Amino acid sequence: DVQMTQSPSSLSASVGDTVTITCRASGDIYKSLDWYQQTAGKPPKLLLSAATRLTDGVPSRFGGSVSGTEYTLTVTNLQPADSATYYCQQFYRVPYTFGQGTKLEIK
Amino acid sequence: QMQLVQSGPEVKRPGTSVTLSCKGSGSRFNSSAVQWVRQARGQGLEWIGWIVIGSGNTNVAQNLHDRVSISRDESTDTVHMEVRSLKSEDTAVYYCAAAPASDWLLWDRWGQGALVTVSS
Repeated sequence: DVQMTQSPSSLSASVGDTVTITCRASGDIYKSLDWYQQTAGKPPKLLLSAATRLTDGVPSRFGGSVSGTEYTLTVTNLQPADSATYYCQQFYRVPYTFGQGTKLEIK
Repeated sequence: QMQLVQSGPEVKRPGTSVTLSCKGSGSRFNSSAVQWVRQARGQGLEWIGWIVIGSGNTNVAQNLHDRVSISRDESTDTVHMEVRSLKSEDTAVYYCAAAPASDWLLWDRWGQGALVTVSS
């Protein structure tokens, strides 16, 4: 199985800050990765697909990048609505594994 | 815009089975793939399996493949997932999500989730 190691598990930041969340794959997944945002009691919401492609309607404050097997979600100019848990999911090989999640708190 | 509507919450005894459904609306459904994901209370997301609507091909996570079956009914635009021999650790919210056949990475449609509680 492809292991997705996501870090950090939690972080706290202030409005206007920039944060980064990382998922490291156990092997090359060739950008076959999505990022989701989930708030309590709701299904995940797709933020980016194919590692860097912003989903329609998602603010451009959200961005994705890749370096080797390390995938990064960057959120700039943090807003209170960004308080959520963020997950990555790889689609290179079944099982399509998720990262462990990152809980983002806005101070 | 395709929407996914899932069946309602279920309470089941250990050892029994449950079948969840995920109904799609809109023309895109027949040319989609649907994945099932579950989330235990306070925990992360776990991939269960997926089905390609057009071909009916499925794939289920190895740790669940002997207890989970995924099928589709094209006449009703519905995907079903059966979980057999339920255990307490199957208690979770189950989500379905869909991506178009033209873009297997665009998982932008999600059902509302269905809580399955397994308890004696």
